Amino acid sequence: QSALTQPASVSGSPGQSITISCIGSNSDIGTYDHVSWYQQHPNTPPKLIFYEATRRPSGISDRFSGSKSGNTASLIISGLQPDDEAIYYCSSYTANSTWIFGGGTKVTVL
Amino acid sequence: QVLLAQSGAEVKKPGASVKVSCKTSGYTFVNNYIHWVRQAPGQGLEWMGIINPRGGGTGYAQKFQGRLSLTTDTSTSTVFMELSGLRFDDTAIYFCARDGRYCIGGNCFLYNNFDPWGQGTLVVVSS
Repeated sequence: QSALTQPASVSGSPGQSITISCIGSNSDIGTYDHVSWYQQHPNTPPKLIFYEATRRPSGISDRFSGSKSGNTASLIISGLQPDDEAIYYCSSYTANSTWIFGGGTKVTVL
Repeated sequence: QVLLAQSGAEVKKPGASVKVSCKTSGYTFVNNYIHWVRQAPGQGLEWMGIINPRGGGTGYAQKFQGRLSLTTDTSTSTVFMELSGLRFDDTAIYFCARDGRYCIGGNCFLYNNFDPWGQGTLVVVSS
């Protein structure tokens, strides 16, 4: 099964909002709400920042929000800050009872 | 505080096997599934498999079928990942991660997420 499709990079200035898309198929995002998002800074393990497509874990800034429509999930980061510069991955449960990740999106704060 | 502490880095020759441990603490071990995910140098995340510590049931990505074995030791709350037939392209950081769980009316379900993660274990395959 192919990876979920994410843009390789997204950039924005401090204070701006950016959106990262994650495109799947009817076998994953299109059927299940089990979509999650992870933030990874260099040389650290990924960190959960969104799950079940629209739920934010406690302790995660409300500048992060998530949505899902059809086969596409999206992560929106508002009020961009320097510490938001990282690689972001989406993940989904699949119809094969497996999990799949996107290729990752590098966010640059200009 | 939920913690997943992994064993140290390994260097292996092609064809060998590697066994990485993931010692959990801060929660009831048998209540949450554990995933294994790997990340090749400079690359993205790749899901490998999952184990249910309550009973030992497993699920593997097709790519790793026949080479990957996930086991547990409930006496030490530890999960093990063993990958055999190592190839050069198995060089990666291997992570364990806990899946979330919620219960409604006596039935429990996975959140199908990865939280938290272990610190990662670097496995280098080199001749």
